Amino acid sequence: NAGVMQNPRHLVRRRGQEARLRCSPMKGHSHVYWYRQLPEEGLKFMVYLQKENIIDESGMPKERFSAEFPKEGPSILRIQQVVRGDSAAYFCASSPSGGIEQFFGPGTRLTVL
Amino acid sequence: GENVEQHPSTLSVQEGDSAVIKCTYSDSASNYFPWYKQELGKRPQLIIDIRSNVGEKKDQRIAVTLNKTAKHFSLHITETQPEDSAVYFCAGFTGTASKLTFGTGTRLQVTL
Repeated sequence: NAGVMQNPRHLVRRRGQEARLRCSPMKGHSHVYWYRQLPEEGLKFMVYLQKENIIDESGMPKERFSAEFPKEGPSILRIQQVVRGDSAAYFCASSPSGGIEQFFGPGTRLTVL
Repeated sequence: GENVEQHPSTLSVQEGDSAVIKCTYSDSASNYFPWYKQELGKRPQLIIDIRSNVGEKKDQRIAVTLNKTAKHFSLHITETQPEDSAVYFCAGFTGTASKLTFGTGTRLQVTL
């Protein structure tokens, strides 16, 4: 049973470009969470999704950030018009049962030049 | 919303000694408390968790205790080894919010 997959592992973007981060949950998991981790800091909740539904996006900036988890395919976190402050590690986690026992992917390290 | 505080931020122990990391939470409705270990550049890994209907849970050298009345929980690592060196995060889960709130992390250094 493969774990949570994320790609790309490293992403470099120039200011103003778009970043697309992908997350494939563990088999049988229908709950996906996205977190942001700044260097030397903790994990900050961004958004919680189930298939085709955003359940809680209270941790996600209102502008430039969006997330989806379509019926088929991975969950996508999209950052438009990236700025240097968006540089961070973005982790997704999946859970079989709505938050309990979240398993993390390897993360995508976004660098904005 | 939930607020989780974690102490200490850094902890250095000698190999073989015990390490204790403490967390407090604010939401009395929180009912699930996992601990994650994160090595440098790696993903957080779930190492142990405890639910609110249990006061203590042990897994080999790792144990977690929960005091619901005081709203705090602790991670205990005995007989520490160099490979225990990492950042440890506690978290609290509230069913109504369906999300984890993480503490700020403790950097544990096990020295020879």
